Amino acid sequence: AQTVTQSQPEMSVQEAETVTLSCTYDTSESDYYLFWYKQPPSRQMILVIRQEAYKQQNATENRFSVNFQKAAKSFSLKISDSQLGDAAMYFCAYSRGTSYGKLTFGQGTILTVHP
Amino acid sequence: DTEVTQTPKHLVMGMTNKKSLKCEQHMGHRAMYWYKQKAKKPPELMFVYSYEKLSINESVPSRFSPECPNSSLLNLHLHALQPEDSALYLCASSPLPQPQHFGDGTRLSIL
Repeated sequence: AQTVTQSQPEMSVQEAETVTLSCTYDTSESDYYLFWYKQPPSRQMILVIRQEAYKQQNATENRFSVNFQKAAKSFSLKISDSQLGDAAMYFCAYSRGTSYGKLTFGQGTILTVHP
Repeated sequence: DTEVTQTPKHLVMGMTNKKSLKCEQHMGHRAMYWYKQKAKKPPELMFVYSYEKLSINESVPSRFSPECPNSSLLNLHLHALQPEDSALYLCASSPLPQPQHFGDGTRLSIL
């Protein structure tokens, strides 16, 4: 069975600084996807970034980037120039590369951004 | 604005009531999902529909009954719920295979 582990229950960062959220996963599959979702108190789950396992290049979306280490089964999220609106619960998630995907979530990391 | 619309946003019901949650998307996605989420916990998958057919049922109690009338609409019928069923219910849709796009959720409280 696939598992996703987020070892940091809470993190904090100063506005405009950089923070990295950690995620490790375990799978025997070779074809899979990894995601970071953000859930602010407004409760909507927002897709931040995704990574296909077959792609060696790390995904980047504006201020958000990942460090995908396939051999180490590590998938960390870096947020640059942190903004107050980045404060939220962040979930790392895994999905097999099938026609429709069951998402396996980590336990989440609460990110606080200090002004 | 979310592209997956869930109604109602809040629902309070007694244990003997029957109610339904509704989810709608117009992105042409062929897979739709129901999740249950407790506070400060990750979402737990309940059901998956693919091409309007039930593909996954994660051993959900029969008091939850999903329905997919067409490719844009997903319902969750509720009957005789228990207090522990109080939670945020999230709907999601995806192209095949990914990624999943979530709605704002329905906050359900069982009295």
